[in-house]
Amino acid sequence: DIVMTQTPLSLSVTPGQPASISCKSSQSLLHSDGETYLYWYLQKPGQPPQLLIYEVSNRFSGVPDRFSGSGSGTDFTLKISRVEADDVGVYYCMQSIQLPLTFGGGTKVEIK
Amino acid sequence: QVQLQESGPGLVKPSQTLSLTCTVSGASISSGGYYWSWIRQHPGKGLEWIGFTYNSGSTYYNPSLKSRLTISVDTSKNQFSLKLSSVTAADTAVYYCARGSLGSSGYYAPAPWGQGTLVTVSS
Repeated sequence: DIVMTQTPLSLSVTPGQPASISCKSSQSLLHSDGETYLYWYLQKPGQPPQLLIYEVSNRFSGVPDRFSGSGSGTDFTLKISRVEADDVGVYYCMQSIQLPLTFGGGTKVEIK
Repeated sequence: QVQLQESGPGLVKPSQTLSLTCTVSGASISSGGYYWSWIRQHPGKGLEWIGFTYNSGSTYYNPSLKSRLTISVDTSKNQFSLKLSSVTAADTAVYYCARGSLGSSGYYAPAPWGQGTLVTVSS
């Protein structure tokens, strides 16, 4: 199985300040078709995970442009340019290049 | 807009079979191009992908659960189901169903997800 490792485990951020989450995979997520199968989800309290970013850097429908994703191969980053109160929750990265699908352990984002 | 809703018993006794159903609305399971997935989350923990089925009935299971797992689809009811046998307290979790898109060479991330249902394994 591909192991997804997220850091940090938690973040406490002042509103309006940036935040960054790292995700590293144990194998490259670059497929021979040219796509990189790395995704980011946000799980708000009491809700199911919602897709934020697909294939490394594409924002899903309705996701604000303060969220951005980057990276390649095995190293990826999710950035929030200016954190808002609505951004609190647990962020997960996920890979789908290989079955079983696997998730990172999560990064909890709180507001100071 | 596609919506998914999990249903089933919230309490299951140890050694029994956990059975859940996901009802899909706003889309037809019979349509190609998608996989229909189950994912679980142990209390206060991360996410574990369980497995998925296609509209054809073909399945793929997480090897860690494969020996106890059955996922099936009922296109006439627009539902798919999960059965997990010989459950223990370690199977206590919130169970989510979700739809994922199939790419030309792989699987795209599941979205959307149902709201999830808590299943507790206890005598």
